[in-house]
Amino acid sequence: DGGITQSPKYLFRKEGQNVTLSCEQNLNHDAMYWYRQDPGQGLRLIYYSQIVNDFQKGDIAEGYSVSREKKESFPLTVTSAQKNPTAFYLCASSIEVGLAKNIQYFGAGTRLSVL
Amino acid sequence: KQEVTQIPAALSVPEGENLVLNCSFTDSAIYNLQWFRQDPGKGLTSLLLIQSSQREQTSGRLNASLDKSSGRSTLYIAASQPGDSATYLCAVLNSGYALNFGKGTSLLVTP
Repeated sequence: DGGITQSPKYLFRKEGQNVTLSCEQNLNHDAMYWYRQDPGQGLRLIYYSQIVNDFQKGDIAEGYSVSREKKESFPLTVTSAQKNPTAFYLCASSIEVGLAKNIQYFGAGTRLSVL
Repeated sequence: KQEVTQIPAALSVPEGENLVLNCSFTDSAIYNLQWFRQDPGKGLTSLLLIQSSQREQTSGRLNASLDKSSGRSTLYIAASQPGDSATYLCAVLNSGYALNFGKGTSLLVTP
């Protein structure tokens, strides 16, 4: 089955700790994205990547880091600098950035909480 | 900066009713507009995509329209069912990378 897999489903972070959220896609999509969703809020873009070894900051990149070493993988690290990390994190991918027909496909999400 | 607003924030209707969800956006220079469905604690499922040159798209009981000049879109759901209960999100693509999302409309269809 083609799709986007996010893991883990639930994650707990201790204060001062860095944690990494996994996102893997087998859709052969070029572009990948990370969004953050807070209760009652719309999704906000953290980082995106158009191709391997390239990524750009979104609206709320502070306290987060990413890598794109493989086309199918786009892990997100929530660093200790992110003071309010509790949220629902969604990964998405699309065939190509910038097309009018561009549809973003989403994973099932990771819920991060602070202990 | 693009602002996307969805009205109403919540809606409760009896099964069988036809209903309309509204989305408005401030910057009409969009590539496309997308409607998504989100079930509690789950990811997003793409329902319909309307390209900027199109006026509407249909999929089954769903019909979405786009009036780019006025910055408005509507999602029409015909003959609603309890299984339609979810949060519906509207998003617009302004540049080549980021979707701008509204806060969503939480829909409850009661049997």
